[in-house]
Amino acid sequence: SQQGEEDPQALSIQEGENATMNCSYKTSINNLQWYRQNSGRGLVHLILIRSNEREKHSGRLRVTLDTSKKSSSLLITASRAADTASYFCATVLNTGTASKLTFGTGTRLQVTL
Amino acid sequence: EAQVTQNPRYLITVTGKKLTVTCSQNMNHEYMSWYRQDPGLGLRQIYYSMNVEVTDKGDVPEGYKVSRKEKRNFPLILESPSPNQTSLYFCASSPLDRGSGYTFGSGTRLTVV
Repeated sequence: SQQGEEDPQALSIQEGENATMNCSYKTSINNLQWYRQNSGRGLVHLILIRSNEREKHSGRLRVTLDTSKKSSSLLITASRAADTASYFCATVLNTGTASKLTFGTGTRLQVTL
Repeated sequence: EAQVTQNPRYLITVTGKKLTVTCSQNMNHEYMSWYRQDPGLGLRQIYYSMNVEVTDKGDVPEGYKVSRKEKRNFPLILESPSPNQTSLYFCASSPLDRGSGYTFGSGTRLTVV
């Protein structure tokens, strides 16, 4: 089952512009993570935000989390052509001894020169 | 280098011929998981393991088996592959501290004809 829904599904911007991707989810979470995937390759972990955090930064990345709206956003500032990839949000719910990571369907970002 | 290694990267097989996709991690992670990625469906969890000899079903376990006899290895077994198992498969691992991101392998592209 899909927990996260990313919006937009695809985004095309020019180098230097900012890119914003949104993620909505349905259930309670312990943390939310963002991953990047270059075409056909493995996913790379970008940033994790805990349910009691509202904002987090890592380099050119800024993540916000609004648990009341069950939504998160990923902002990439001053984008570069090398940022072209698919970006996925993933929610983590810890129950007892289990920990479930559930992915959304992703946003395809194209950064042109 | 800390990594998750999957083999093979590409595999074409025929319906009904048993196959195993191997996954190994060198980070002493307790948690390991298998995902399949299909267009429009994102990543869906097949099986996961919280530690040695502890495995559990994910969202789409039908037609798959796993084992966790050693901490570093988590093979995915398809006893009788069918064409609907044609997909891109990813293995992932993480520590059990529940505050870390997941490390993904490079993927195995499986085609069942």
